[in-house]
Amino acid sequence: AQKITQTQPGMFVQEKEAVTLDCTYDTSDQSYGLFWYKQPSSGEMIFLIYQGSYDEQNATEGRYSLNFQKARKSANLVISASQLGDSAMYFCAMRETNTGGFKTIFGAGTRLFVKA
Amino acid sequence: EAGVTQFPSHSVIEKGQTVTLRCDPISGHDNLYWYRRVMGKEIKFLLHFVKESKQDESGMPNNRFLAERTGGTYSTLKVQPAELEDSGVYFCASSQARSPLHFGNGTRLTVT
Repeated sequence: AQKITQTQPGMFVQEKEAVTLDCTYDTSDQSYGLFWYKQPSSGEMIFLIYQGSYDEQNATEGRYSLNFQKARKSANLVISASQLGDSAMYFCAMRETNTGGFKTIFGAGTRLFVKA
Repeated sequence: EAGVTQFPSHSVIEKGQTVTLRCDPISGHDNLYWYRRVMGKEIKFLLHFVKESKQDESGMPNNRFLAERTGGTYSTLKVQPAELEDSGVYFCASSQARSPLHFGNGTRLTVT
């Protein structure tokens, strides 16, 4: 069964340092997509970054990069130069692209605290 | 472009009452999803519409939940009768094919 696991309920990082949020997934599909979303205290869900299962390069979007290790089924999010505004919940997600739909499943999330 | 909008933002009802949540997706997005997050737990998939058709409703908890998407535009999620365990934040999201999900701000439902 498809599953997303985020083992870090909470993480602390010093402002301006880098932090890695872990995500592992389980799927039998060969074609899938991996996503990270940010949920600040205001509650909205903000899309951060996407990695396709066939993409050979790790995805990057500004200060966000996705460390994709397909054989280990991991898709860790790396935030460089943390800012106070990065304090939020972060959700890893996977979309199955098998025939019939684009269902996306989510992990339990990691709460990141950035310290000044 | 207007984002995904959800109404109401908060709802407090008593056990046994009925509540209807509404979601207006981004115009032109064929895919519409409902999710629920209970405090501290994962965002749980409820169901997926493609246009007006239910593509996958495997996450619907039981027959007290009814989702509709009239004409492939907005969607409603009705809970009848509500139970205490239905409390949580209900998110709606929409997308076009393989694009990332665009989420609404959610409806916080409290059943007392």
